[in-house]
Amino acid sequence: ELKVEQNPLFLSMQEGKNYTIYCNYSTTSDRLYWYRQDPGKSLESLFVLLSNGAVKQEGRLMASLDTKARLSTLHITAAVHDLSATYFCAVDGGSNYKLTFGKGTLLTVNP
Amino acid sequence: KAGVTQTPRYLIKTRGQQVTLSCSPISGHRSVSWYQQTPGQGLQFLFEYFSETQRNKGNFPGRFSGRQFSNSRSEMNVSTLELGDSALYLCASSFEGNLGGYTFGSGTRLTVV
Repeated sequence: ELKVEQNPLFLSMQEGKNYTIYCNYSTTSDRLYWYRQDPGKSLESLFVLLSNGAVKQEGRLMASLDTKARLSTLHITAAVHDLSATYFCAVDGGSNYKLTFGKGTLLTVNP
Repeated sequence: KAGVTQTPRYLIKTRGQQVTLSCSPISGHRSVSWYQQTPGQGLQFLFEYFSETQRNKGNFPGRFSGRQFSNSRSEMNVSTLELGDSALYLCASSFEGNLGGYTFGSGTRLTVV
């Protein structure tokens, strides 16, 4: 059974600082997704990573995928308050048409 | 381009009742999947449909069922509601299941009292 582990689960940052969220998964997959969720809202797609070595950047967020290490990272550069949210990684387990989610990282950016 | 539409947005039901939730995918998307989100269990997969066929089902009791219509719209039904069924139910739309990204709807917040 595919397991997805995110860490840290809670992250309190100061504005302007950098940090990385890690997402490890237990079986081979080359499709990984990052989502953002604001309180009481749905999941907003941030990145779709479809191959080993994929790197995508959007504003202050950059995501990468290492399928050999079964690891994805979400790097936050010079955090701002607007980035406060819960971030989920999700792994597509192959041909079973489902996403397995990590528990999420609650990010709080303090002024 | 219209997104994924879920109705209703909020529901309050009593234990023992049943409920039906609806999801209209993005136009042209034929895969619809459903997820339950609770504070304790996180996001859990319920089932996935493609062209009216269920291709995968999560580890939920038989009280949870779903279907997909020829226009790709999907419904999920929960019978004999329990307090623990209170959750945010999210529907995801995809072009070809695992061949594309997944776009989520706004969700239906179900409260069972």
